[in-house]
Parts: sequence; C-alpha cells; structure tokens
Amino acid sequence: KAGVTQTPRYLIKTRGQQVTLSCSPISGHRSVSWYQQTPGQGLQFLFEYFSETQRNKGNFPGRFSGRQFSNSRSEMNVSTLELGDSALYLCASSGDRANTEAFFGQGTRLTVV
Amino acid sequence: AQSVTQLDSHVSVSEGTPVLLRCNYSSSYSPSLFWYVQHPNKGLQLLLKYTSAATLVKGINGFEAEFKKSETSFHLTKPSAHMSDAAEYFCVVTPRVLTGGGNKLTFGTGTQLKVEL
Repeated sequence: KAGVTQTPRYLIKTRGQQVTLSCSPISGHRSVSWYQQTPGQGLQFLFEYFSETQRNKGNFPGRFSGRQFSNSRSEMNVSTLELGDSALYLCASSGDRANTEAFFGQGTRLTVV
Repeated sequence: AQSVTQLDSHVSVSEGTPVLLRCNYSSSYSPSLFWYVQHPNKGLQLLLKYTSAATLVKGINGFEAEFKKSETSFHLTKPSAHMSDAAEYFCVVTPRVLTGGGNKLTFGTGTQLKVEL
C-alpha cells in the first residue's frame, strides 16, 4: 500500500510569509502527527490530529497550526515565518491502536530566507 | 514527563564488527520504546519496538534491542555491521497509555553510525 506522502518536498520562503505543508497518510490511518527536525533541536513533536480533531500538542508557538480533513489528509501552517523555522518537517501516520508504530513521510524541507 | 538520552552522538565501526548504540530513557509512565533509522534524504523507518511483551526485541536487518527496566536502558545492537547500516539512529520513548489517547513520540538526539571498510 502507498506510504505517507508529503508535499511539497522543498520550499523556500521569505521571513514574514506564511506556508502550508500537506500530508496524506497511509490509507485507513486516522492519526497524523507532525514533527520538526533541526540540527540544533533535533526532532520535536508539533501536534497530532485524529478524526479531524487535535488530540495532542507540543510546545510550539501559536504561529504553528494544523488541521485534518475528513479523508485524514492533514495540513500544517506556519504564519509569520522566522529564520529559525527553517527545518525538515516530518509527518507520521498511525493506526488507531495505542503504541502502534508511526510511519513517516520523507518530509518537507523548508528554508526561510 | 519523558526523555531519552542517546549516549553517543557518533559511532564508528568496521564492516563485519558488532554495533552497539546506547540509549537511556526516563518516563513517568510505563514506556513504549522504539528505534528508528534515518538514511540521508529519507524519512524515518522503524527498526523495532518494545511495548511490554518480551524484553529482547528483534527488528529488521538483524538489529535487536533489550529493554532493561532496572537500568532504564534500551540499547540497540547488531552482531555484524554492513556498509548499508550507515545512517542516523534515533531512540524514541512514548507513554504506553497517553492521557486522552494518541501518539506523542519523544526522540533522542540521534547517533550517527559510520561503517568503514
């Protein structure tokens, strides 16, 4: 079956702009999580969506937001971009059971200039 | 609260020799533990997971890990390294039961494995 698909793969934005990233989970998975990966902070949890509702949230400012659609596809939005938002953003999808493994997409590389 | 400490940021081994990547965890709850691997320009791939069954967990590509509660460790091993094992490895912890359900993975800082001829 198809894996987790993230689009676009690469993005370059200017400070102050906003950006939207997209994630299509594995068919049948209703949980979608987002992670930020940077050399300095490593991999950090942003938020998780399940059945169109945010179920868990990390410690990121309100500029980072997300949503999930009825087909489980998810989008992540970052407003008022800062240089420090440059990162690899990874999306993961999981089945409904607790502690089931998370399947990751290849990520979107965001560069803020 | 939960956290993971990967004790080595870089490990270098010769092809055919054993691999040991060390991980210690801290968790207020009974943890589930995972090891993921990330090859350059690729996403994360699950190597193995511990969720409360056998403490010795076997994963893909010959990797295994042992959950030791008394030592709060979950070290990753492989008897014989291959060139294709060169990648970054992440130890991950999550509560076995998260209030409200769901998934919230806490990653270690990663260990870069180099395999030399």
